[in-house]
Amino acid sequence: EVQLLESGGGLVQPGGSLRLSCAASGFTYNINAMSWVRQAPGKGLEWVSGISESGDATYYADSVKDRFTISRDNSKKMLYLQMNSLRVEDTALYYCAKVIWFGELTATFTYFFDHWGQGTLVTVSS
Amino acid sequence: QSVLTQPSSASGTPGQRVTISCSGSNSNVRINTVNWYQHLPGAAPKLLIFSNDMRPSGVPDRFSGSKSGTSASLAISGLLSEDEADYYCSTWDDSLNGVVFGGGTKLTVL
Repeated sequence: EVQLLESGGGLVQPGGSLRLSCAASGFTYNINAMSWVRQAPGKGLEWVSGISESGDATYYADSVKDRFTISRDNSKKMLYLQMNSLRVEDTALYYCAKVIWFGELTATFTYFFDHWGQGTLVTVSS
Repeated sequence: QSVLTQPSSASGTPGQRVTISCSGSNSNVRINTVNWYQHLPGAAPKLLIFSNDMRPSGVPDRFSGSKSGTSASLAISGLLSEDEADYYCSTWDDSLNGVVFGGGTKLTVL
């Protein structure tokens, strides 16, 4: 059974930093891309960042570019999100998600999240 | 403002068929496949439809997806009270080089 367990959330002041972690189990971690998706209070889902199977390719939403860094440790089956220069608007429940993608060499690209964790709450407030 | 446009709400009575639309553009929906997620309060989002019209194992065939041009739709037939949830469409955007979501549609079963 696929399991994704996020941790590291908490209360932080604006301008501060936080590192989220996601422990993966139940699947072959090093052949799957991964992503972070967040949901602010009362808002919809927002994709934050994605990383390739080996970790050599990373992608970010414009809202977090140059402030957040996604990384992974395949030997430990862990996914991370380093969040710096945090803003009040970064307050959200952060989900770790397992990615399925294909079609990179075709005209049609498919990229979706087939399993999600339960999320970890990040609150940015003074 | 979300890149993909969904109605904020939808409703139906038990047994009815409801559809939820998702409108995008040439850089996302037209050229890439659309996926749909169901999100119940307090739970993790769940994949409902991938690649426009494919159902993961375990998802009832009451749920179906379709796409045409820059628009996609999720249809739910034989509506059940347990279908009351938020529904999101999503796809890859070639211009943004990332995933985009719709704003979500809150489905109420009357």
